[in-house]
Amino acid sequence: EAGVAQSPRYKIIEKRQSVAFWCNPISGHATLYWYQQILGQGPKLLIQFQNNGVVDDSQLPKDRFSAERLKGVDSTLKIQPAKLEDSAVYLCASRPTGTGWETQYFGPGTRLLVL
Amino acid sequence: GIQVEQSPPDLILQEGANSTLRCNFSDSVNNLQWFHQNPWGQLINLFYIPSGTKQNGRLSATTVATERYSLLYISSSQTTDSGVYFCAVDPYGNNRLAFGKGNQVVVIP
Repeated sequence: EAGVAQSPRYKIIEKRQSVAFWCNPISGHATLYWYQQILGQGPKLLIQFQNNGVVDDSQLPKDRFSAERLKGVDSTLKIQPAKLEDSAVYLCASRPTGTGWETQYFGPGTRLLVL
Repeated sequence: GIQVEQSPPDLILQEGANSTLRCNFSDSVNNLQWFHQNPWGQLINLFYIPSGTKQNGRLSATTVATERYSLLYISSSQTTDSGVYFCAVDPYGNNRLAFGKGNQVVVIP
């Protein structure tokens, strides 16, 4: 079974530019998450999707960050315009939807450096 | 929100040594997991352990929910155990995880 795929793996941009990240979850996983992991910190949840609907985006800085999952499969996360403090690893995770507990499966992440 | 504190922040081990990592959390939780992030950044679930004790090979974990802490034991450490160990909790049972800052472990041969 293929894991969670993310691209690009690395991105370097200048502040005020825009950037987009792509995530393809494990086939059949209805729930998708985007996390931001700043160096030396644990991952911080940005947004949770259930199929193509947003379940929680309370920690997403909506003035500059946006995310979508139009067909309930792939997802994109966009930052516009980027700030220096957005330098981080952006992790995508997915999990199946069931009545019991299921772990989240994480992708390899996209490392963003804002200069 | 809930606070998740992990200790020690950094640990250097000689190969073959044992160690204990601790996670304290500030409120009751429905779910607690331990993850390992390898040096290449991949996060892997180790244990789902909201209470009790579980073992998986050289790793074991214990959560005492009433006292709001969890412990991860690494026995006979190997260089492949290097990385960052994260404790993550789900306070509301909605599968939204709050992570601690992690325990950075380096195992030297």
